[in-house]
Amino acid sequence: DIHMTQSPSSLSASVGDRVTITCRASEGLNGWLAWYQQKPGKAPKLLIYRVSSLQSGVPSRFSGSGSGTDFTLTISSLQPDDFATYYCQQYKAYRTFGQGTKVEIK
Amino acid sequence: QLQLQESGSRLVKPSQTLSLTCVVSGGSISSGDYAWSWSRQPPGRGLEYIGYIYHGGTTYHNPSLRSRVTISMDRSRNQFSLKMTSVTAADTAVYYCAREKVGDDGGYFDNWGRGTLVTVSS
Repeated sequence: DIHMTQSPSSLSASVGDRVTITCRASEGLNGWLAWYQQKPGKAPKLLIYRVSSLQSGVPSRFSGSGSGTDFTLTISSLQPDDFATYYCQQYKAYRTFGQGTKVEIK
Repeated sequence: QLQLQESGSRLVKPSQTLSLTCVVSGGSISSGDYAWSWSRQPPGRGLEYIGYIYHGGTTYHNPSLRSRVTISMDRSRNQFSLKMTSVTAADTAVYYCAREKVGDDGGYFDNWGRGTLVTVSS
């Protein structure tokens, strides 16, 4: 199994801050990585696929980057609606998720 | 607009079988561009992939669950189902159905159901 490790597990930030979340895979993913946002009591929402492709309807303040085993989700200017938990997911070999990063209000 | 809605047993006794169905509206589960999948999330924890079924009937199950899981589909009703046998308290979770993009660049989930909490308890 490919293991996914996110860091940090939680962070506190203010509206307008630039936020970066990291995801590391136990082996190279050849770019098969997605990011999701989940709010309490709600289903996950696809933000980004194929490392950096923005899903339709997702604000452009979200971006993804990385290669090999190391990937990053960046929120360029945090908005009130962005306080949530974020998950990375690999789809090189079957499907596994990171453990999540909770973005809280500072 | 595609919608997925889970339904089924919310309370299951230990050692019994969990049964869930996902009804799909606004799109056909016979589409060759997508597979139909299940994931789960124990309370306060992260997401775990259970498996998928493709329109031709091909299935994949998480190796850690494979021997207990059956995923099937009913094209006439545009729905797919999950059965998990011999459940324990560790199977208590919110269960989500989702549409999974397949093909050369596929493997991610672009539409999800709202999820249903299944509790395993006597």
